[in-house]
Amino acid sequence: EIVLTQSPDFQSVTPKEKVTITCRASQSIGSSLHWYQQKPDQSPRLLIKYASQSISGVPSRFSGSGSGTDFTLTINSLEAEDAATYYCHQTSGFPRTFGQGTRLEIK
Amino acid sequence: EVQLVESGGALVLPGGSLRLSCAASGFTFSAYNFNWVRQAPGRGLEWVSYISSSGTIYYDDSVKGRFTISRDNAKNSLYLQMNSLTDEDTAVYYCARAGYGDYVDYWGQGTLVTVSS
Repeated sequence: EIVLTQSPDFQSVTPKEKVTITCRASQSIGSSLHWYQQKPDQSPRLLIKYASQSISGVPSRFSGSGSGTDFTLTINSLEAEDAATYYCHQTSGFPRTFGQGTRLEIK
Repeated sequence: EVQLVESGGALVLPGGSLRLSCAASGFTFSAYNFNWVRQAPGRGLEWVSYISSSGTIYYDDSVKGRFTISRDNAKNSLYLQMNSLTDEDTAVYYCARAGYGDYVDYWGQGTLVTVSS
């Protein structure tokens, strides 16, 4: 099983700050890593596919990078609406796995 | 517009069974792969099962032998038959479409399964 470990688990940030969330895979997964945002009482929403590919309708302040075992989600100029939990997810193999999540609180 | 609507969640006794359904619309259902993903209260996302457009199936070890995923392309529907339920199966269950390339691109709103005596 491919284990995904996110850091940090929680971060309290101020608007306009730049945020970086990392996701480390227990073995190489190429670029088969995707990022999701989940707000309270909502379903997850796809933010980034294949490590760095943007998604139509997602604000440009969200970007992703990385390959192999180390990946990063960056949120530039954080906005209040970005308060949410963020998950990474791998589709390199089965079982599919998710990171444990990173909760962002906006101060 | 892509829509995935889950149903069938309920309160069930330990050891009981439940069948979840996911009604899909707005796209060619038969061409896509699907997942069931669950989220226990206050916890993170947990992948449960996958079925491809051609019928290839995978399960997480935690549900293997107890859960059965299936699809009916004529009815544009995905199913999850859950047997021998335990309190650890308590969660919101999401139907999740896998886009081309197999990443999840759309999620349903979820249906709550509560296993409790």
